[in-house]
Amino acid sequence: DAGITQSPRHKVTETGTPVTLRCHQTENHRYMYWYRQDPGHGLRLIHYSYGVKDTDKGEVSDGYSVSRSKTEDFLLTLESATSSQTSVYFCAITPGQGMNTEAFFGQGTRLTVV
Amino acid sequence: AQSVAQPEDQVNVAEGNPLTVKCTYSVSGNPYLFWYVQYPNRGLQFLLKYITGDNLVKGSYGFEAEFNKSQTSFHLKKPSALVSDSALYFCAVREVTSGTYKYIFGTGTRLKVLA
Repeated sequence: DAGITQSPRHKVTETGTPVTLRCHQTENHRYMYWYRQDPGHGLRLIHYSYGVKDTDKGEVSDGYSVSRSKTEDFLLTLESATSSQTSVYFCAITPGQGMNTEAFFGQGTRLTVV
Repeated sequence: AQSVAQPEDQVNVAEGNPLTVKCTYSVSGNPYLFWYVQYPNRGLQFLLKYITGDNLVKGSYGFEAEFNKSQTSFHLKKPSALVSDSALYFCAVREVTSGTYKYIFGTGTRLKVLA
């Protein structure tokens, strides 16, 4: 798993509540990513980071924010969870400077918004 | 923007037969292409990548992929399928935006190998 830990692994939350998912890596890699996986949509990029405090939006960033205050942690926050955010969330990292390398994924967080 | 398309939601193949999972791409510049596999309740595992060089790329678990520039395709292949190959397969392309790197994935193809 390339030293990637996602927490929690499962969470059920109520509509309108804030939720924070954590991705932790042990290798000091520069790039970190948050994806969501939904049937029929594959994996869609939410946000990504290319360094401490350096983040950018992906294709489905509405309703999500991220923070990266230190290299090893990349946090994904749902400010006010909605049922459409029920999904499986994956964190990924890219070793090195990200040029010719592939991404490595965590085990995922299954989030249910009721 | 870069993109990949996986035209088949599901592929069924008999054990021992060759398998092909299709992927086409749309990129500006040189394509950097990847294949991943996902087993139930697991994260994605890297199978292989095309960066440059030989059009036939070999990867993990006996899989290979053929890069075809004229057809803008990067199909995943295996000469003899195993039941244990049954999983969800994703094609991906690397996109560079303002000097930063991200990966764009297809919608996935479910491979079912029948005993």
